[in-house]
Amino acid sequence: ELKVEQNPLFLSMQEGKNYTIYCNYSTTSDRLYWYRQDPGKSLESLFVLLSNGAVKQEGRLMASLDTKARLSTLHITAAVHDLSATYFCAVDIRRGNQFYFGTGTSLTVIP
Amino acid sequence: DAGVIQSPRHEVTEMGQEVTLRCKPISGHNSLFWYRQTMMRGLELLIYFNNNVPIDDSGMPEDRFSAKMPNASFSTLKIQPSEPRDSAVYFCASSFSGIETQYFGPGTRLLVL
Repeated sequence: ELKVEQNPLFLSMQEGKNYTIYCNYSTTSDRLYWYRQDPGKSLESLFVLLSNGAVKQEGRLMASLDTKARLSTLHITAAVHDLSATYFCAVDIRRGNQFYFGTGTSLTVIP
Repeated sequence: DAGVIQSPRHEVTEMGQEVTLRCKPISGHNSLFWYRQTMMRGLELLIYFNNNVPIDDSGMPEDRFSAKMPNASFSTLKIQPSEPRDSAVYFCASSFSGIETQYFGPGTRLLVL
C-alpha cells in the first residue's frame, strides 16, 4: 500500500525562524508536487519536482526532491505570517497524473 | 483563463436525496480528477478521466457514487442516495498530459443532513 507521510502534522513557529517540512513516500516515483491550502479555500500549486535532485525556490519557500531516499523537503526561510496555511505534498507514481496526497502539514506563523 | 469551475459551491441536502456536482476543467486540459476532502480521511482521489475516458475509479466509495465526462469541457459527480457520511468538500482538478501540476477548482461544500 502506498503511503505518503508528512512530518510534522502541525507546526507553530515564530516569525523570522527557519523550518523544514518533510514528505516521505513508500514507492518509486520521480514526480512530486507541493500545494498550499488556506482555510476554507482550494489547493494552490507551489512546486513541481520532476527529477532526482530537483530544487525549486519561490520567495521564502524552497522545495527539493531525493528520489533515492523517497524524500522531499519544503524549507521555510525567515517565516512570515502570510505563510500560515496547510501544505500538502503529492506523489505521482504512475506517470499518469494519479496523485497520492500526503496528510498535510498545518503551519501557523506567530508574530 | 477562468480556471477550473465547480458548481454549486455549497449544497445542503437531506439524506436520501440525489446530489449532482459539476465541473468545467481548464480549456485544453485532457485529464480531470475528482477528490473528496474530510478531516478524518484527508484528500482522497475518487476517480480520474483521461481524454474523457474513466481510467481509475477505484477510489469511488461505493455504488452510490457515479461520475461521467460526456465531453472535454464538462464532468459530473453524482451521489444517489446521499448519506450524512458523504458530507465533505469535493474538489475537481484538471491537468494536461501527465507532467504538469493539477489545477484545483474552488470545491463544493456538501452537507447531508
